[in-house]
Amino acid sequence: GAVVSQHPSWVICKSGTSVKIECRSLDFQATTMFWYRQFPKQSLMLMATSNEGSKATYEQGVEKDKFLINHASLTLSTLTVTSAHPEDSSFYICSARAPERASRPYEQYFGPGTRLTVT
Amino acid sequence: GQNIDQPTEMTATEGAIVQINCTYQTSGFNGLFWYQQHAGEAPTFLSYNVLDGLEEKGRFSSFLSRSKGYSYLLLKELQMKDSASYLCAVTDSNYQLIWGAGTKLIIKP
Repeated sequence: GAVVSQHPSWVICKSGTSVKIECRSLDFQATTMFWYRQFPKQSLMLMATSNEGSKATYEQGVEKDKFLINHASLTLSTLTVTSAHPEDSSFYICSARAPERASRPYEQYFGPGTRLTVT
Repeated sequence: GQNIDQPTEMTATEGAIVQINCTYQTSGFNGLFWYQQHAGEAPTFLSYNVLDGLEEKGRFSSFLSRSKGYSYLLLKELQMKDSASYLCAVTDSNYQLIWGAGTKLIIKP
């Protein structure tokens, strides 16, 4: 299958600081990557769709200046949480499409997630 | 608007069978996925349906009726490790995945 990695797997930061999360497709090129947030006992919430070489498309209610997304290459997308606050504490998951690999159209392959705790 | 409904929580006994239902109302349909998610982990793929009918894969089966906007995931011979959340997701006309809130399945000995 297609493998997606995330780094770090967990991070603790102080309020007001910025945190960068990396999402990499290890064995395929991902033209489209997705960033999700999941609060405890809730489902996945799509934050933004990221296409290589272009600006990310943010979902309604997601602050693009707070959650900076960069998809500079076909194998790497980054999410930077700027001026983090305790309410940003959540589980952040990225996923990627691999159209040339997928036997199921538009399937998304998920990274292992990043647990962010803001103190 | 787009909507996917699943029960919030279900409880079943080890060794038994459980059916998790999913109904959807989306702008277009290009396939339905079921994912399993253990607490603190990312979702993992279970099944995909795009045509009506039953897809069987080992202990897990998934059914789709497009005319009814309905799917179910059937888990047989339940094991304790099946305790997890099960997410239903539909690919809409824009090929975006629309997610249900997930069903937390609790398996009791």
